[in-house]
Amino acid sequence: AQSVTQPDIHITVSEGASLELRCNYSYGATPYLFWYVQSPGQGLQLLLKYFSGDTLVQGIKGFEAEFKRSQSSFNLRKPSVHWSDAAEYFCAVGTPYGGSQGNLIFGKGTKLSVKP
Amino acid sequence: ETGVTQTPRHLVMGMTNKKSLKCEQHLGHNAMYWYKQSAKKPLELMFVYNFKEQTENNSVPSRFSPECPNSSHLFLHLHTLQPEDSALYLCASSLSSGTSGGDEQFFGPGTRLTVL
Repeated sequence: AQSVTQPDIHITVSEGASLELRCNYSYGATPYLFWYVQSPGQGLQLLLKYFSGDTLVQGIKGFEAEFKRSQSSFNLRKPSVHWSDAAEYFCAVGTPYGGSQGNLIFGKGTKLSVKP
Repeated sequence: ETGVTQTPRHLVMGMTNKKSLKCEQHLGHNAMYWYKQSAKKPLELMFVYNFKEQTENNSVPSRFSPECPNSSHLFLHLHTLQPEDSALYLCASSLSSGTSGGDEQFFGPGTRLTVL
């Protein structure tokens, strides 16, 4: 069965600094990969997704993620963080198969704090 | 209304009460989901409905009873809950479920449930 690991529970960066949030997955083939963001008291919003093709994926709000098959990783990056980026970020994996395996599996999330 | 809406946004109930959470999606999707999000656990998938049929019940206690009268509406009926059921309950929808893991899920803002 597939799984997702987000090793960092909480990260603090200074406003204007670069950001990288880590995500590792476990799956025997190339999965579908997603990053979602959740602001306090809100639902999850999709930032970007990877299905196939170019391994560098651009998303909304200036975020990008790179799929690295050899490392089973899909890390999220942003070159310059804004205070409004403070939120919780979730990595998720989906598989090309049907049934319950086709549902998304979410990581535990990484909470991002931004220092002024 | 656009996207996925959930009512109420906040709910406080006693352990002997009966209440219902409502979710509505205005996206023309065919799959709907209930998730539980608590402070120290990852996002837990509870139920999945695809074309009004329940396709997933993730070992959820019977005090949670879902209902999906049509593809646009999803309810979660609650009765004799426990304090540990206090959490944020998120509803989501996607184009379909079970045919592939690539369909993006759109989330509502959630209902914050407190069980006294």
